[in-house]
Amino acid sequence: QKEVEQNSGPLSVPEGAIASLNCTYSDRGSQSFFWYRQYSGKSPELIMSIYSNGDKEDGRFTAQLNKASQYVSLLIRDSQPSDSATYLCAFATSGTYKYIFGTGTRLKVLA
Amino acid sequence: GAVVSQHPSRVICKSGTSVKIECRSLDFQATTMFWYRQFPKQSLMLMATSNEGSKATYEQGVEKDKFLINHASLTLSTLTVTSAHPEDSSFYICSARSSAYEQYFGPGTRLTVT
Repeated sequence: QKEVEQNSGPLSVPEGAIASLNCTYSDRGSQSFFWYRQYSGKSPELIMSIYSNGDKEDGRFTAQLNKASQYVSLLIRDSQPSDSATYLCAFATSGTYKYIFGTGTRLKVLA
Repeated sequence: GAVVSQHPSRVICKSGTSVKIECRSLDFQATTMFWYRQFPKQSLMLMATSNEGSKATYEQGVEKDKFLINHASLTLSTLTVTSAHPEDSSFYICSARSSAYEQYFGPGTRLTVT
């Protein structure tokens, strides 16, 4: 069964610090990985997509992908209280467009 | 960015009635849309994949006669919950695929069945 593993948290970091969120996945054939942010009671919002090994940066966010280790991470620099949310990792199953979601990591940024 | 709308945002209905939820891609054409359900403190569970002009593909355990999906055009998909019961109360979210792999989510519909 294809799965995504995430630590449920909560992960607490002080304001201004770097938050590091991690995710492992089971489908070796997957080529597409995504990080979504979900505030309580709201739908997920796409933060980053990453398709190649290495780092991808967008503003304060950096996604890191290591396909050999089946590992993807998200770094949030200069964390703000407004970053407090649940972060969902997802991958697109190989050969389809369907996503498999992790259960999410709850991040708390302390002012 | 890609915008997806959903209507209604919140609905309360009586047990045994049917509810229709609309999902629209506002600034792009979506050949594929997805319907998810999310219970409190749980992750998203894919219910079905909807392709324009063809029948929806349902995930295992999802009753296709209860959750009717119609993808009438490249910008509109609808989910009808038929004969709703309290256990169908949940947060229903649609998404639309704008490019090869990226999905953009609608704001969700919170369904309460009394």
